[in-house]
Amino acid sequence: GAVVSQHPSRVICKSGTSVKIECRSLDFQATTMFWYRQFPKQSLMLMATSNEGSKATYEQGVEKDKFLINHASLTLSTLTVTSAHPEDSSFYICSAQRGGVNEKLFFGSGTQLSVL
Amino acid sequence: KQEVTQIPAALSVPEGENLVLNCSFTDSAIYNLQWFRQDPGKGLTSLLLIQSSQREQTSGRLNASLDKSSGRSTLYIAASQPGDSATYLCAVGSGGATNKLIFGTGTLLAVQP
Repeated sequence: GAVVSQHPSRVICKSGTSVKIECRSLDFQATTMFWYRQFPKQSLMLMATSNEGSKATYEQGVEKDKFLINHASLTLSTLTVTSAHPEDSSFYICSAQRGGVNEKLFFGSGTQLSVL
Repeated sequence: KQEVTQIPAALSVPEGENLVLNCSFTDSAIYNLQWFRQDPGKGLTSLLLIQSSQREQTSGRLNASLDKSSGRSTLYIAASQPGDSATYLCAVGSGGATNKLIFGTGTLLAVQP
């Protein structure tokens, strides 16, 4: 099956610093990737849709200047949490779409961000 | 606004039992519905994808049904095993160019050996 690699799996940082999370589709090209956020014991909340070569589409309530998304190639999307604060601590997961909307989504293994 | 709910929130069963997980959604105008499995601290694994025109999909011991008009889907797991223990999430797709998914609240399943 298709593989999506997400790195790092866990990061601890100080308040005010920026953290970059990478999402790579290893064996397929993904024109669209999605970024989700998950709080403990809660479901996934879509943050933004990342489109290769164009600006990301953010969901309502998600600050685009705080969560910078770059999709520079067909196999890589990055999420940068800028000036992180403790309330940004969460589990972040990416997914990649192989082919059309009728295809399954493939997910990365997630990144646990802890901001001290 | 689409809302997706899963019942029960948690379920504990002895090994070998057949079980049903429920998913309901408020807007029946969906494009497709997927069931996922999530292990603790991990990403999601897609289990089954049902298109809006389909009634069910099967994969091994798993069977998912879809009743779009009533806004319901079920995931049936036959002969449960301890390795099935995980959180199960359903998600409805809205269609369009990107088919954004709206996730349910999840069911935490524990299969006791």
